Parts: sequence; structure tokens; C-alpha cells
Amino acid sequence: NAGVMQNPRHLVRRRGQEARLRCSPMKGHSHVYWYRQLPEEGLKFMVYLQKENIIDESGMPKERFSAEFPKEGPSILRIQQVVRGDSAAYFCASSPPGGREQYFGPGTRLTVT
Amino acid sequence: QQQVKQSPQSLIVQKGGISIINCAYENTAFDYFPWYQQFPGKGPALLIAIRPDVSEKKEGRFTISFNKSAKQFSLHIMDSQPGDSATYFCAAWRISNQFYFGTGTSLTVIP
Repeated sequence: NAGVMQNPRHLVRRRGQEARLRCSPMKGHSHVYWYRQLPEEGLKFMVYLQKENIIDESGMPKERFSAEFPKEGPSILRIQQVVRGDSAAYFCASSPPGGREQYFGPGTRLTVT
Repeated sequence: QQQVKQSPQSLIVQKGGISIINCAYENTAFDYFPWYQQFPGKGPALLIAIRPDVSEKKEGRFTISFNKSAKQFSLHIMDSQPGDSATYFCAAWRISNQFYFGTGTSLTVIP
């Protein structure tokens, strides 16, 4: 059973461009969570999604950030008009329905130049 | 508001010593308490977890102690090794499928 997959692993964007981060959850997992982590800091919750539904987006910045988890395909975290402050590692985690444990992907390291 | 409070922020332990990381919570709706280990450049990995109706859980050198009345739980790493050097996160889960993480503890085990 493959683990949580994220791509790309590294992404470089210039200020003002769009960044798209993808997450494929583990097989059988229908819950996806996105987190942001700055160097030497903890995990900051961004959004919790189930298939075709955003359950909790209380950690998402109100502007420029959006997330989706379509019926088919990976979950996407989109950052529009990136700024230098968006540079961070973005982790996706998944859990099965009713699951009490999350399983994390390897992360996408976004660098905004 | 930090739902799960973790301490210390950093910890240095001699090889062979015991590493202890503490977490506390307020919300009695939490029903499961996992710990994660993260190495530099990697994603967090599930290490060990405990339910609130259990006071202790041990897996190898890792033990969780849980005090439900005090709303506290801790991770003990026995016979700490340099390979244990990593960042450790405690977490709490509630039935709404939401997870809350502590701020992390950077552990360094020196030979």
C-alpha cells in the first residue's frame, strides 16, 4: 500500500506566479489535511477536506489560498500570486473514514524568489 | 489558541539517557493522542498513540504515559540514541476527525 504521495517535492516560483501542490492520499483514505511548516517551527493546520467537500478551512489565509479534493484525482492546494512569505514546506496528510491517525506525505518545499 | 501545549521546545540528552516530552490539553472531547517523529527534510511519521482509557502504552523504547484527570500525557524515550534526534509532535484527535498538534520538541541526543 503506497503511502501519501505529494508532488512536486520542490517547487520554485517567482513572486506573483501561481503554485499548485498535489496530494494523493493513501488507498482507502477519504480525508485529507494540509499543513504548512516554516523552518524550525511547528505544523500549522490549513484545511481539512473530504471528497468534494471542505470540512474545515479555519487555518487558510482568506486570500490567494484555495484547496480542493475532487471526486477523482488528487487534492490540490493552490496559492495564487505567491509572495516570499509563502516559502515553506507544505505537508499533506490523510486518514481513513473514522481514522484516528494521520499519515503524512513527504512534503512540497515551496521557494518563492 | 493552542489546543495542545507541548514542552520543552528543545531537549538535549546524553546517549543512554531518558528523554521526556510533555503535553497538556483542555478539551475533554479529545479521544486519541498520537505522537509523531519528524526528521529534517521529511514528513512527520506516526510513532505511537494512546487512547484516554489507558494510562500507559509501551512500544520498544517508547512509552506514552497518560493522566486523564490532569489532562496531561508524555512521551518517554528510554536508552535514547543519536538516531532518535528529531522533532517530536504530540497531537490530539476528536471525533469530528480534527487533529490538533503541539508546537514540537527538538530532541538532540549527544554521544
